[in-house]
Amino acid sequence: GESVGLHLPTLSVQEGDNSIINCAYSNSASDYFIWYKQESGKGPQFIIDIRSNMDKRQGQRVTVLLNKTVKHLSLQIAATQPGDSAVYFCAEITSYIPTFGRGTSLIVHP
Amino acid sequence: GAGVSQSPSNKVTEKGKDVELRCDPISGHTALYWYRQRLGQGLEFLIYFQGNSAPDKSGLPSDRFSAERTGESVSTLTIQRTQQEDSAVYLCASSPRTGNNEQFFGPGTRLTVL
Repeated sequence: GESVGLHLPTLSVQEGDNSIINCAYSNSASDYFIWYKQESGKGPQFIIDIRSNMDKRQGQRVTVLLNKTVKHLSLQIAATQPGDSAVYFCAEITSYIPTFGRGTSLIVHP
Repeated sequence: GAGVSQSPSNKVTEKGKDVELRCDPISGHTALYWYRQRLGQGLEFLIYFQGNSAPDKSGLPSDRFSAERTGESVSTLTIQRTQQEDSAVYLCASSPRTGNNEQFFGPGTRLTVL
């Protein structure tokens, strides 16, 4: 039968705090890693990507860190705002094909 | 400007019926992707097109699933003899070219198979 409810990992933060969302990936041969944001009822929205030969990349209020040793990716959001509330997905890209993680729900309390 | 559009937004069908889902990518985008998203899950890659050719169909779950693309425009995803486990949101995305990581997603089609 169909699953009931969402059992995503959830991160709750206060407005203004920094948020860190983590992701483990599986393929050491992946070329790129991407973070997407998905608001309720909408398609995912690209946030930032990082090439596999980089360790860190910064965007506007966001930083992605890549640790290839332990196959770990993180997204840091500075000064989190209520509008940042969404589900965040990481994806690894191998030969143009993305494999998505399950997602983390970020809840920002005003 | 116009983004990626998908139709219908919602589709309810009976088990065993065929359904056709449509995606209109951003004009000029040569790469087009289809994904399936089950409730509370991440996106599952189905197929991508570079122009009207599909270099990788490995994500299609079964031979009941097929997709076509006309030139560098509209794409249709067809599911034959639908099953209850096909119930999901089907998302389409386009990007300027294959290898461009920034994909632009449509709002999705929510398919419910009774």
